[in-house]
Amino acid sequence: DGGITQSPKYLFRKEGQNVTLSCEQNLNHDAMYWYRQDPGQGLRLIYYSQIVNDFQKGDIAEGYSVSREKKESFPLTVTSAQKNPTAFYLCASSFRSGTPSPGYGYTFGSGTRLTVV
Amino acid sequence: DQQVKQNSPSLSVQEGRISILNCDYTNSMFDYFLWYKKYPAEGPTFLISISSIKDKNEDGRFTVFLNKSAKHLSLHIVPSQPGDSAVYFCAANQAGTALIFGKGTTLSVSS
Repeated sequence: DGGITQSPKYLFRKEGQNVTLSCEQNLNHDAMYWYRQDPGQGLRLIYYSQIVNDFQKGDIAEGYSVSREKKESFPLTVTSAQKNPTAFYLCASSFRSGTPSPGYGYTFGSGTRLTVV
Repeated sequence: DQQVKQNSPSLSVQEGRISILNCDYTNSMFDYFLWYKKYPAEGPTFLISISSIKDKNEDGRFTVFLNKSAKHLSLHIVPSQPGDSAVYFCAANQAGTALIFGKGTTLSVSS
């Protein structure tokens, strides 16, 4: 059964710690994305990657880092430099970004809720 | 600066009636427009899309209309059902770039 898996579902971080959120997909999608959702803010783009070993910053990349060593995996590290990391994090994947096809869209994971304690 | 705007945070509709969700955008270079539905603590699910060369796309109870001159699109749900109650996000992109999302509209359908 193809899909996109985010883990863990809930994550707690102490002040000053780095944490890594996992995202794995078996849809053979080329592109992967990380978004952050805050109440009343919608989904804001953190990073995205269209191919292995390449990624681009989104609108709110400061304090985050990513890697794309395998097509299936796109982990997100929330560093201590991110001043307000408490949020709901969503990973998504798609065929090559912007590919025009009927029903074009991203497949999203079920999200990770990160809380700073 | 918001490129995709959903100015109505919430909408309440009775079951069986039409729901109309609106979205405005500022970037005339957008190629694709999409609507997603989201329940709390879950990822969004894709609903329907439209390319910039069309002005209407229909899929069952869902129809998206695009007015390029007004930089406006809308999602019509007919008839509305209680299971449609969720947050709806409008999104857009240029080919080769990531989707930009609006802030969402919470739809409540009462029976």
